[in-house]
Amino acid sequence: QQQVKQSPQSLIVQKGGISIINCAYENTAFDYFPWYQQFPGKGPALLIAIRPDVSEKKEGRFTISFNKSAKQFSLHIMDSQPGDSATYFCAASRTGDKIIFGKGTRLHILP
Amino acid sequence: DAGVIQSPRHEVTEMGQEVTLRCKPISGHNSLFWYRQTMMRGLELLIYFNNNVPIDDSGMPEDRFSAKMPNASFSTLKIQPSEPRDSAVYFCASSLAYAGNYGYTFGSGTRLTVV
Repeated sequence: QQQVKQSPQSLIVQKGGISIINCAYENTAFDYFPWYQQFPGKGPALLIAIRPDVSEKKEGRFTISFNKSAKQFSLHIMDSQPGDSATYFCAASRTGDKIIFGKGTRLHILP
Repeated sequence: DAGVIQSPRHEVTEMGQEVTLRCKPISGHNSLFWYRQTMMRGLELLIYFNNNVPIDDSGMPEDRFSAKMPNASFSTLKIQPSEPRDSAVYFCASSLAYAGNYGYTFGSGTRLTVV
């Protein structure tokens, strides 16, 4: 059973555009939702995270939007740059338990 | 801190051979995770340790896989005998706790190719 469903699998965006990656979860006990970024040849690295008591969190060009009632959350990358080209993983966990990762989205920003 | 250190970075081996992957976690972290990444299955959690004790090994594919953590600064993942379907990138990650909200720090991975 896939507890965190991520879409799309791959995404191509023009430089300067907005990249949007979506995730949905089933377990209402999840209370922490991080996003990880992975560059080729490297391990995933924590990018930004949100808790369900807020609907949005912004760090620079990266924003997480969270919809608790729909059990969905998304990552928005504003003014996307070629250096943002990477694989992005959404994830979820509940207090005291391990992270569950989505299957990842390969993002390519066209120069 | 040098981060999570994995070795080797690349490993090519013949089917049937024993393969040992190594990991040095970040000093002070007490949780360690082994993941496998493939295009088809994404990131799969194989096993994780807390304070050197295996907590959950339900992700280990079969008896050919084994993992140990003899002390707080070293862990191994062994595959014996190896098979072509084991070809993947294997990541080690460490954390202050196995709860997700402490954040996991990943190593750069070992790319395993079994021919």
